[in-house]
Amino acid sequence: NAGVTQTPKFRILKIGQSMTLQCTQDMNHNYMYWYRQDPGMGLKLIYYSVGAGITDKGEVPNGYNVSRSTTEDFPLRLELAAPSQTSVYFCASTPRSTNEKLFFGSGTQLSVL
Amino acid sequence: GQNIDQPTEMTATEGAIVQINCTYQTSGFNGLFWYQQHAGEAPTFLSYNVLDGLEEKGRFSSFLSRSKGYSYLLLKELQMKDSASYLCAVGLSNDYKLSFGAGTTVTVRA
Repeated sequence: NAGVTQTPKFRILKIGQSMTLQCTQDMNHNYMYWYRQDPGMGLKLIYYSVGAGITDKGEVPNGYNVSRSTTEDFPLRLELAAPSQTSVYFCASTPRSTNEKLFFGSGTQLSVL
Repeated sequence: GQNIDQPTEMTATEGAIVQINCTYQTSGFNGLFWYQQHAGEAPTFLSYNVLDGLEEKGRFSSFLSRSKGYSYLLLKELQMKDSASYLCAVGLSNDYKLSFGAGTTVTVRA
């Protein structure tokens, strides 16, 4: 049972490049989330999904896109990378409600230079 | 929206006790979580409170007062490995997401 798996762990992008952060979970969880965490700060919600085919914006969605074609996968897309997107990105999942604890991936450290 | 406040930093000595407070302003409260996050790692679950009172788990305890919009995380018999950031997160009924506080960095000194 791998839990929540994020790839890559580290990435450096040039301004204007695009990339996809991968997230997959093998726990059959319905709810999945993408957070970003800037140094010394808490978690800010980018996008979330309550099931396959359903996504919604969080607090800081600008510059990002997501899709949820399967229960397992929830990729995060950066189309035109900007220095403001330098951050640590965490994917998380929970079975079916916010009464249950979040399971986090190990994170992706992204630098945009 | 929600307003979640917790202190930025706390320092304590090994073996001591530290209490991290979290206050929140929200409607439709549906539970409060505490997560621990070591530097460079993902957050890990510590506790969940949905009813008033104290929940104890070994050296860690969490308290909730819904009427006051207040929770605290109590860390007893501090160890060096307890140096970490502690995140308070609040859930709402009829919502699909948690809101996180900015986190409290606890430094344990020898």
